[in-house]
Amino acid sequence: QKEVEQDPGPLSVPEGAIVSLNCTYSNSAFQYFMWYRQYSRKGPELLMYTYSSGNKEDGRFTAQVDKSSKYISLFIRDSQPSDSATYLCAMTGGGSYIPTFGRGTSLIVHP
Amino acid sequence: EAGVTQFPSHSVIEKGQTVTLRCDPISGHDNLYWYRRVMGKEIKFLLHFVKESKQDESGMPNNRFLAERTGGTYSTLKVQPAELEDSGVYFCASSQERRSSGGLGTEAFFGQGTRLTVV
Repeated sequence: QKEVEQDPGPLSVPEGAIVSLNCTYSNSAFQYFMWYRQYSRKGPELLMYTYSSGNKEDGRFTAQVDKSSKYISLFIRDSQPSDSATYLCAMTGGGSYIPTFGRGTSLIVHP
Repeated sequence: EAGVTQFPSHSVIEKGQTVTLRCDPISGHDNLYWYRRVMGKEIKFLLHFVKESKQDESGMPNNRFLAERTGGTYSTLKVQPAELEDSGVYFCASSQERRSSGGLGTEAFFGQGTRLTVV
């Protein structure tokens, strides 16, 4: 079993839709949870991070962590074609600062 | 301010040849990381420099990979000799600090990657 599971997609939605991206993990020591966005031929850029459980909102983006279920989500409201990218979850903890990444989910928002 | 830059952006070499990848971190960032993504797989950690010293090289796959960071500035990753399974995208990232609690992702900036193809 992989430490972090993420459906690679692609996930195709119409413009304006609410998008839900998810990851599950197996290591209960993870405490820092991150979401990266990666455009084609570019490096990952940090979008949001949360510590432990709870929600965090930043504009159209909401990150949610449920440690009891070992499940994290990223919600994108009013999705735009410019949101089309690969979204990677990553997490650290247990004394290690090196992130464990998911495979990434390819998101396509069509006009 | 310039971001993390990597050279070349794409390299195609034959099996058995040598390739050297270069990373220029953001100025003033003491921490430099190398990662690799093999097609269809996750991004995997290779190693971490603090200034010119190797802090953690637990992710280096074997002794065909050699990383250096001269003077604590730019870094190179050499693969010699290259094998087919070395193909992938090699990312470099840099950060100003490393939090022991695992806050790496809050500060690290990635380069655009070097796509290495070994044929």
